[in-house]
Amino acid sequence: DAKTTQPNSMESNEEEPVHLPCNHSTISGTDYIHWYRQLPSQGPEYVIHGLTSNVNNRMASLAIAEDRKSSTLILHRATLRDAAVYYCILRRNNDMRFGAGTRLTVKP
Amino acid sequence: DAGVIQSPRHEVTEMGQEVTLRCKPISGHNSLFWYRQTMMRGLELLIYFNNNVPIDDSGMPEDRFSAKMPNASFSTLKIQPSEPRDSAVYFCASSPAVGPNTEAFFGQGTRLTVV
Repeated sequence: DAKTTQPNSMESNEEEPVHLPCNHSTISGTDYIHWYRQLPSQGPEYVIHGLTSNVNNRMASLAIAEDRKSSTLILHRATLRDAAVYYCILRRNNDMRFGAGTRLTVKP
Repeated sequence: DAGVIQSPRHEVTEMGQEVTLRCKPISGHNSLFWYRQTMMRGLELLIYFNNNVPIDDSGMPEDRFSAKMPNASFSTLKIQPSEPRDSAVYFCASSPAVGPNTEAFFGQGTRLTVV
């Protein structure tokens, strides 16, 4: 499976935008890019996914590089509730394997 | 919809005992996943089912672990015999469709402690 690389941790200030990067240089043409997050003491939660085009939903935006070797999850206005571990995952078939993710800290 | 329902939420058992974890996926979903999460190893995919059929069990640690999905509404993960190193949070997730172009919904997890 293609691997993803994310920073171990990031900090953000409340009410400011957050850009969470993910590198996936070995991505194949059929790999979908998925983002999940895990709040403390909860199960992972779906955030967004895409293939080639940028995607927006009520939670976040996903910006995908033209060569698809990297992507960025954008939280437009971080709140304290967004403090979580964010996972970037490549899915080619139905399985879904998590890496270590990025721990996001949001400062008031 | 109540979401993915896992039971029990907490389980404490003695080494050597059999443990059964249960999962009820969201109605109508076609894929089901079992994960284990520990501080040391993170979130590990144990096994997943498509349309009640096990597809990939390469993540199952050893023969002590087994998973079944007798119908679309129910799955179990069994550990027999249990060992202290099996202590972890076990998550179940389901997806509305088979394939990579769909999201998964996770349960709240079962925290297993083997003493």
